[in-house]
Amino acid sequence: GENVEQHPSTLSVQEGDSAVIKCTYSDSASNYFPWYKQELGKRPQLIIDIRSNVGEKKDQRIAVTLNKTAKHFSLHITETQPEDSAVYFCAVRLYSGAGSYQLTFGKGTKLSVIP
Amino acid sequence: GAVVSQHPSRVICKSGTSVKIECRSLDFQATTMFWYRQFPKQSLMLMATSNEGSKATYEQGVEKDKFLINHASLTLSTLTVTSAHPEDSSFYICSARDPPTDRKVYGYTFGSGTRLTVV
Repeated sequence: GENVEQHPSTLSVQEGDSAVIKCTYSDSASNYFPWYKQELGKRPQLIIDIRSNVGEKKDQRIAVTLNKTAKHFSLHITETQPEDSAVYFCAVRLYSGAGSYQLTFGKGTKLSVIP
Repeated sequence: GAVVSQHPSRVICKSGTSVKIECRSLDFQATTMFWYRQFPKQSLMLMATSNEGSKATYEQGVEKDKFLINHASLTLSTLTVTSAHPEDSSFYICSARDPPTDRKVYGYTFGSGTRLTVV
């Protein structure tokens, strides 16, 4: 099965600074890499995703980069704001057989943005 | 965008009783839904994949007789925790694959989650 490693587990940054979270995966057949933001007690919300045929994607202050060769992808948040404080999960989509795909999640990164 | 509705949001039950959690896809058909369990400060762990009209596929270590999944229609999947015990207390959350659009092929939407407390 897929093995997803996410680092760091906690991250504190000053407001306005950048934050970077990195994930590595094991199966080269994985083809879709979403990032989710989860606030306490709430559902994960998709913030950005990237497919395996793209190296980088940006949406305002958020960007994701993918290195297929090294099997890692990263989330970049620039000009961080206190409302960016949450737990962020990376995920990897992999074919699991019998016509089914599933997401495997990283362990999460708790981001704290200090005003 | 796609919306997945999950109920109840919170439930407290006595040990030994059963609890049913519903997950509905609104305005789209979901042939496949996923059920996750999340312990405090931990990641989402996939419990099972629910397939409309067929048996669910359970992940290793998940008791299928304890966590009954029924996906009787293209918009509804249910998870029933049978004979619940305090160790079953957790945050249960469902997810459905978004319908593909011209701009997006992949995507998954989560329900709002159910906080189960077994006393």
